[in-house]
Amino acid sequence: DQQVKQNSPSLSVQEGRISILNCDYTNSMFDYFLWYKKYPAEGPTFLISISSIKDKNEDGRFTVFLNKSAKHLSLHIVPSQPGDSAVYFCAASAGYGGSQGNLIFGKGTKLSVKP
Amino acid sequence: GAVVSQHPSRVICKSGTSVKIECRSLDFQATTMFWYRQFPKQSLMLMATSNEGSKATYEQGVEKDKFLINHASLTLSTLTVTSAHPEDSSFYICSAHSTRPRKNIQYFGAGTRLSVL
Repeated sequence: DQQVKQNSPSLSVQEGRISILNCDYTNSMFDYFLWYKKYPAEGPTFLISISSIKDKNEDGRFTVFLNKSAKHLSLHIVPSQPGDSAVYFCAASAGYGGSQGNLIFGKGTKLSVKP
Repeated sequence: GAVVSQHPSRVICKSGTSVKIECRSLDFQATTMFWYRQFPKQSLMLMATSNEGSKATYEQGVEKDKFLINHASLTLSTLTVTSAHPEDSSFYICSAHSTRPRKNIQYFGAGTRLSVL
């Protein structure tokens, strides 16, 4: 049973518009969430994270929103750029501040930003 | 900072041979490293957690005798796929857990594409 779900396998957005990538989770013990970006034939690159004590974290064009009651988080990219085209993975872990840092990943959403 | 190097990037081998994959943290010390496997259109699946100086912890369903993990130093972990078979063909990715420059972040290598003929 998937604990982290990204229900949209792909998303296409026009350059300059907002990209919204969604992620749902089922494990209420998760208290730390991350977004990774992955280009083909490369490993994932850390993008942004949020702990469960917050509901929003912003870093430049990237903002992550967390709705704990709905067990839902989203990544907003605005404005979207062609270079943002990649697969985005949502990941979650339990025990922020712990030493292990085990992550559970979603299946990813492929974002295509068209010029 | 926080660069993880994984080598080789691609391996093609015959069935029955063993393949070793190296994962190095280049500019930080990683007491914990992770090994993942990714099938096409699937998520990254954690195979095992590797702690420096101790035995790896394997996830359920992962054969520890088939996937040998060694974490002999704070900057190097290796995964050896023993007696590889075609069903072991996959994309293997390592990551290193770091508390610096960012707390509780895993930094990933570029992955190894294993093809077993």
